[in-house]
Amino acid sequence: GDSVTQMEGPVTLSEEAFLTINCTYTATGYPSLFWYVQYPGEGLQLLLKATKADDKGSNKGFEATYRKETTSFHLEKGSVQVSDSAVYFCALRVRTSGSRLTFGEGTQLTVNP
Amino acid sequence: GAVVSQHPSWVICKSGTSVKIECRSLDFQATTMFWYRQFPKQSLMLMATSNEGSKATYEQGVEKDKFLINHASLTLSTLTVTSAHPEDSSFYICSARDSGQSTDTQYFGPGTRLTVL
Repeated sequence: GDSVTQMEGPVTLSEEAFLTINCTYTATGYPSLFWYVQYPGEGLQLLLKATKADDKGSNKGFEATYRKETTSFHLEKGSVQVSDSAVYFCALRVRTSGSRLTFGEGTQLTVNP
Repeated sequence: GAVVSQHPSWVICKSGTSVKIECRSLDFQATTMFWYRQFPKQSLMLMATSNEGSKATYEQGVEKDKFLINHASLTLSTLTVTSAHPEDSSFYICSARDSGQSTDTQYFGPGTRLTVL
């Protein structure tokens, strides 16, 4: 079946540090890939997405590139801020499954000033 | 942006009682809503897909008689945990798909923390 694997957290960084959160997937079809972010006390929000191989999703300084050859969609940001502290979820959607999303375990990021 | 609310945000109940959780899309219509369950430090697990005006579709291993889902309007879906037991304690999250946008557009509620004593 479809699955998503994220790097284990929690991740703690200093402000302005470089961030990478690894995400790899297994899918029976050709998936769309997503990163969601959950700030404390709030619902998950779509951060970025990519729908085909080599697409790069980007938003708020975050980037992720759809790598079909390595079945990966790693999240990166060059300089994190305290306000980026949140839980980040990698997810996939296979076209044949309609709107259903399959999520990774989530990675807690804490950025210290 | 689109907002999905959940009520209550947290609830504590006694074993054997039933608890109803509401999920509302506040500024858009949602023909499809999803209910997830999240255990500590684990992924969101899809429990069921709720379609307005029809029966919900449950994932394998989810007891439909225990987790009753009703999607009676385009802005409201409810999840009722019947005869709750301590093992039902969890974080329940709903999401709603905006009927007017692509299938990729889902909006999530903030979640409901259920604790069964």
